[in-house]
Amino acid sequence: QKEVEQNSGPLSVPEGAIASLNCTYSDRGSQSFFWYRQYSGKSPELIMSIYSNGDKEDGRFTAQLNKASQYVSLLIRDSQPSDSATYLCAVNNIVDTGRRALTFGSGTRLQVQP
Amino acid sequence: GAGVSQSPSNKVTEKGKDVELRCDPISGHTALYWYRQSLGQGLEFLIYFQGNSAPDKSGLPSDRFSAERTGGSVSTLTIQRTQQEDSAVYLCASSFGGTGVYEQYFGPGTRLTVT
Repeated sequence: QKEVEQNSGPLSVPEGAIASLNCTYSDRGSQSFFWYRQYSGKSPELIMSIYSNGDKEDGRFTAQLNKASQYVSLLIRDSQPSDSATYLCAVNNIVDTGRRALTFGSGTRLQVQP
Repeated sequence: GAGVSQSPSNKVTEKGKDVELRCDPISGHTALYWYRQSLGQGLEFLIYFQGNSAPDKSGLPSDRFSAERTGGSVSTLTIQRTQQEDSAVYLCASSFGGTGVYEQYFGPGTRLTVT
């Protein structure tokens, strides 16, 4: 089992729709969760961080965390063609591991159709 | 302010040669990380520096890989006797330091091709 799992996609949504990207993780003690966006040929760009159960909203983006289910998601409202990219989920458990490095999923490719 | 910078942006080298990749973190960030991303693969942690503490080298794949950070700022990742499987994009990230886990910001990466 991978430590951080994401559906590779592509996830295809029409312009203006809500895109829902999901991520599950195996380390129950994980405390810090991040979503990065990566355009083809570019480096990852941080979108959201979330540390507590529940929702965190920033503009069109909402991160949702459920530690009991070991599940974190990213919702993109009013999806735009410019949102088409690969979305990477990253997780950290510094309390148990003492390590600050992030563990990344392989990413979900999102395609927003005009 | 300026983001993380990396050089060179592209590097083509022959198998067996040594290469050096450079990273300049965001000003004020005391933590610096190296990751690599192989074609179609996820990001793989390599090494982490925090202030004057001993680096976390747990992700380095072999002893051909080493890194240093001078003056708490610029870092150099060195790969000796490069192999074709070293071909990847090498990404540097930086963050604030301290006891917690802080958001990491990535540089543009160095694309290494070993022929």
